[in-house]
Amino acid sequence: GAVVSQHPSWVICKSGTSVKIECRSLDFQATTMFWYRQFPKQSLMLMATSNEGSKATYEQGVEKDKFLINHASLTLSTLTVTSAHPEDSSFYICSATPGQGGNEQFFGPGTRLTVL
Amino acid sequence: QKEVEQDPGPLSVPEGAIVSLNCTYSNSAFQYFMWYRQYSRKGPELLMYTYSSGNKEDGRFTAQVDKSSKYISLFIRDSQPSDSATYLCAISASGNTGKLIFGQGTTLQVKP
Repeated sequence: GAVVSQHPSWVICKSGTSVKIECRSLDFQATTMFWYRQFPKQSLMLMATSNEGSKATYEQGVEKDKFLINHASLTLSTLTVTSAHPEDSSFYICSATPGQGGNEQFFGPGTRLTVL
Repeated sequence: QKEVEQDPGPLSVPEGAIVSLNCTYSNSAFQYFMWYRQYSRKGPELLMYTYSSGNKEDGRFTAQVDKSSKYISLFIRDSQPSDSATYLCAISASGNTGKLIFGQGTTLQVKP
């Protein structure tokens, strides 16, 4: 099956710093990538949808200036949490869908962010 | 009202039991229904995907959709300890490759 990787798998940072999380589709070209956030014992909440080469579409309540998304190629999307604060501590998961013919959304293993 | 509701559990059953997991949704515009399994600190993996009312079977797993009641279920037969995980229902108005709305997830523990 198709594989999506995320890097890093976990990160600890100080409050006020920025953190970049990478999402890669390893064996297929992803026309669309999604970014989700999951708090402990809660469900995945969609943050934004990104299409290669265009600006991301953010869900209501998600600050686009705080969560910068770049989908520069068909195999890589990045999420940058700018000026991170402790309340941004969460599990961030990306997913990717192939181009034509694909009928499944493949999820990455997630990145655990802890902001001190 | 949440778009999709799922009992978070936890649910604990003995090995070999039949497990029933359920979700309800509020908007009939959602036409695509999925069940994902998520192990601790891992991303979700797709178990079942369906878009019509009725049953869909895959091995020990059966997905059931009742669009008239806006109710979806996942049944696991002959449950195994390896089935212990969090099960998330997800709904979509635009298919499995579009925006997904997840339920809260039900944590299942299957005891040997």
